[in-house]
Amino acid sequence: AQSVAQPEDQVNVAEGNPLTVKCTYSVSGNPYLFWYVQYPNRGLQFLLKYITGDNLVKGSYGFEAEFNKSQTSFHLKKPSALVSDSALYFCAVREGGNKLVFGAGTILRVKS
Amino acid sequence: ETGVTQSPTHLIKTRGQQVTLRCSSQSGHNTVSWYQQALGQGPQFIFQYYREEENGRGNFPPRFSGLQFPNYSSELNVNALELDDSALYLCASSLGQGFIYEQYFGPGTRLTVT
Repeated sequence: AQSVAQPEDQVNVAEGNPLTVKCTYSVSGNPYLFWYVQYPNRGLQFLLKYITGDNLVKGSYGFEAEFNKSQTSFHLKKPSALVSDSALYFCAVREGGNKLVFGAGTILRVKS
Repeated sequence: ETGVTQSPTHLIKTRGQQVTLRCSSQSGHNTVSWYQQALGQGPQFIFQYYREEENGRGNFPPRFSGLQFPNYSSELNVNALELDDSALYLCASSLGQGFIYEQYFGPGTRLTVT
């Protein structure tokens, strides 16, 4: 089974509305979880990570994510979407043996 | 923009050939990770180098090999190229091993195998 899953290929949201991009994981032990963003013709950028501590993690550009151990989820959220948030978002989890596994990605489209 | 650079930007090779891709890490970073990103897919972890030693490897065959130099720059070598090796190859540097630290990605090298 895939260690990380992003169930939505695309998420559409209106500018100013809250957004959620979903991610679930399936690794044993305490997971290291990450969100990255990829803008067109640009490299990957780190948004945020969960290693340990507070379940609500705040990151770059106003994004945050909530680690939910019981639901094995790490959804990315933002209270108010901007058109400039439109991009490809990847969730990733560290597996045992020091490997990083990325999800397939979710395209976020924010319309004005 | 990050301080991570990759060369070349684009490369076209023939099946069966060998290729070397290069990555210069951000100043002060001692860890480099390499990824393969096929069109329309998420990055696939190839391996990580920490202080010149391989420190984690994904599900890639031995014909994918790497090297990290004393200045922490790195090379990815791929032997016996196959058509499926066509992809964007990304490197990322960080302050330390194990993905604890933020990774800074380079712009990638686009490899086309014909």
